[in-house]
Amino acid sequence: GEDVEQSLFLSVREGDSSVINCTYTDSSSTYLYWYKQEPGAGLQLLTYIFSNMDMKQDQRLTVLLNKKDKHLSLRIADTQTGDSAIYFCAESGGGATNKLIFGTGTLLAVQP
Amino acid sequence: EPEVTQTPSHQVTQMGQEVILRCVPISNHLYFYWYRQILGQKVEFLVSFYNNEISEKSEIFDDQFSVERPDGSNFTLKIRSTKLEDSAMYFCASSTSLSSYEQYFGPGTRLTVT
Repeated sequence: GEDVEQSLFLSVREGDSSVINCTYTDSSSTYLYWYKQEPGAGLQLLTYIFSNMDMKQDQRLTVLLNKKDKHLSLRIADTQTGDSAIYFCAESGGGATNKLIFGTGTLLAVQP
Repeated sequence: EPEVTQTPSHQVTQMGQEVILRCVPISNHLYFYWYRQILGQKVEFLVSFYNNEISEKSEIFDDQFSVERPDGSNFTLKIRSTKLEDSAMYFCASSTSLSSYEQYFGPGTRLTVT
């Protein structure tokens, strides 16, 4: 079945770049997403990439997609303490319902 | 900016009781979803709903669960007889169409079953 995997934890220093990685199994995914979840809060869509793209840049965020390896990454430049959160990778296969399949989430801890 | 709202933010119930979690999706959206997140685990799809019927449900969504859109604005998730393992954060989401890349999530309802 569909599965999305991420590393559980990443610690970086403020000002450094963060790279969060994700692997997925469903090659028919139409879109791939990065969601951010701050403590006690809901899911905020950070960015997404269409499956026929290799890269997308949005201000401090860069998404890289390697479709052959089914690997997605999120790079956050100049990481700030406010970026501390859980980051979820998700895939969407479209189809009848466009349900999202989420990864395990990566806790990003930014040290001042 | 329009947003998905959910009530209550926190619900505590005893095992065996029925609970109804409420969501108000964004007004022009047509597709509605429930997801849940057990503490420390990944967000899991429960059910999707379109045109007043379930379009897909996961293995988690058994006979104890039901969804309804009782009027033009609310979208509810009912758990008939809650179990301890139903304790989780429940998220509602909506989107305009299947081709829309974005599902808008509500802030969630934390359900605690004691």
